[in-house]
Amino acid sequence: DGGITQSPKYLFRKEGQNVTLSCEQNLNHDAMYWYRQDPGQGLRLIYYSQIVNDFQKGDIAEGYSVSREKKESFPLTVTSAQKNPTAFYLCASSKVRHTGELFFGEGSRLTVL
Amino acid sequence: GQNIDQPTEMTATEGAIVQINCTYQTSGFNGLFWYQQHAGEAPTFLSYNVLDGLEEKGRFSSFLSRSKGYSYLLLKELQMKDSASYLCAVRDNSGNTPLVFGKGTRLSVIA
Repeated sequence: DGGITQSPKYLFRKEGQNVTLSCEQNLNHDAMYWYRQDPGQGLRLIYYSQIVNDFQKGDIAEGYSVSREKKESFPLTVTSAQKNPTAFYLCASSKVRHTGELFFGEGSRLTVL
Repeated sequence: GQNIDQPTEMTATEGAIVQINCTYQTSGFNGLFWYQQHAGEAPTFLSYNVLDGLEEKGRFSSFLSRSKGYSYLLLKELQMKDSASYLCAVRDNSGNTPLVFGKGTRLSVIA
């Protein structure tokens, strides 16, 4: 079945360590997105990519990095520069850039101890 | 910039009807979306409005007024499984910006 797979689902890390969250889609979608969700904050955009080898910063990109070397993959690295990394991270994709109907992965919950 | 407002929490009774409102202010507009999100899960697409009026899909309907910057999601014959957060999101056609989400409305359905 087609879909978006995020891994790991739960992740614990010590403060100061970089962490990479995986996002893979087999929907042949052009655009991919990373959102962060905190309680009471809704979804906030971290980074997005409309095409391979290109990506744009979202509203809260500081302390994060991404790459888009393949159409199917859009990993997110949470660096030690991110001041408050504990959150629920959601990856999404859409068929044509910015059509709006986003298909979401199941999310990765990161806890920094 | 964009501003999307929706109530933080609502409570309704099983079998009843509930209306969740969303107001928005954007520099451009090219569609409004509603998503449902159960606790700890990914959001799932419910509806899309780009023209004024009502879109009906089973027990769920969504309304849009572009001149008022206003939408609502109407849920009929409420079931316990409808307890979830409902996210309003707007697509801004000024530039290439992805969807912007409101903070969500947490709906609790009680017996």
